Amino acid sequence: KQEVTQIPAALSVPEGENLVLNCSFTDSAIYNLQWFRQDPGKGLTSLLLIQSSQREQTSGRLNASLDKSSGRSTLYIAASQPGDSATYLCAVLDSNYQLIWGAGTKLIIKP
Amino acid sequence: SQTIHQWPATLVQPVGSPLSLECTVEGTSNPNLYWYRQAAGRGLQLLFYSVGIGQISSEVPQNLSASRPQDRQFILSSKKLLLSDSGFYLCAWSRVAGVQETQYFGPGTRLLVL
Repeated sequence: KQEVTQIPAALSVPEGENLVLNCSFTDSAIYNLQWFRQDPGKGLTSLLLIQSSQREQTSGRLNASLDKSSGRSTLYIAASQPGDSATYLCAVLDSNYQLIWGAGTKLIIKP
Repeated sequence: SQTIHQWPATLVQPVGSPLSLECTVEGTSNPNLYWYRQAAGRGLQLLFYSVGIGQISSEVPQNLSASRPQDRQFILSSKKLLLSDSGFYLCAWSRVAGVQETQYFGPGTRLLVL
């Protein structure tokens, strides 16, 4: 059974720092991995989608990597800003075409 | 452009009362539709998904049900709410059940069962 884990559960850093969020999954048989952002009490917004054949995807200050064999993905945020404060969720599309979700990392960027 | 709506935004209901949450999508046709529940500190749990009108797949046994009376309308219901039904309910849509498509989420409904 696929399980997705995100560490840490919460992270607080000063503005301007670069940071890395981690996501691990137990079964490497995935079609893709996605990173989402969720603002408090809101829906989710897709940030990056990495296909299983890809190693990384970039969008602006965000870079997501995927190492399928080791079951790991990282989300790198460069030059963090207070507006980056949110919960970041990782999800993998498993062999049954179901999205399996991590519990998220709550990120706080201090001005 | 496509938009997805959910209502109500917040709901407080007594145990044993019925529930109806509605989700509608605009700007696309024949979307795949999903209902998720998000409990505090936990990942999203897929409750139901639908690939077409009247076609509902349930992922977890529970006292909730879903219906899709129209192409772009997805309804989550319960005849009698339980305390454990409290949570944040998210509706989502995707174009096709393919590996290259992401899901687009509505704003969510926060349900508190007392």
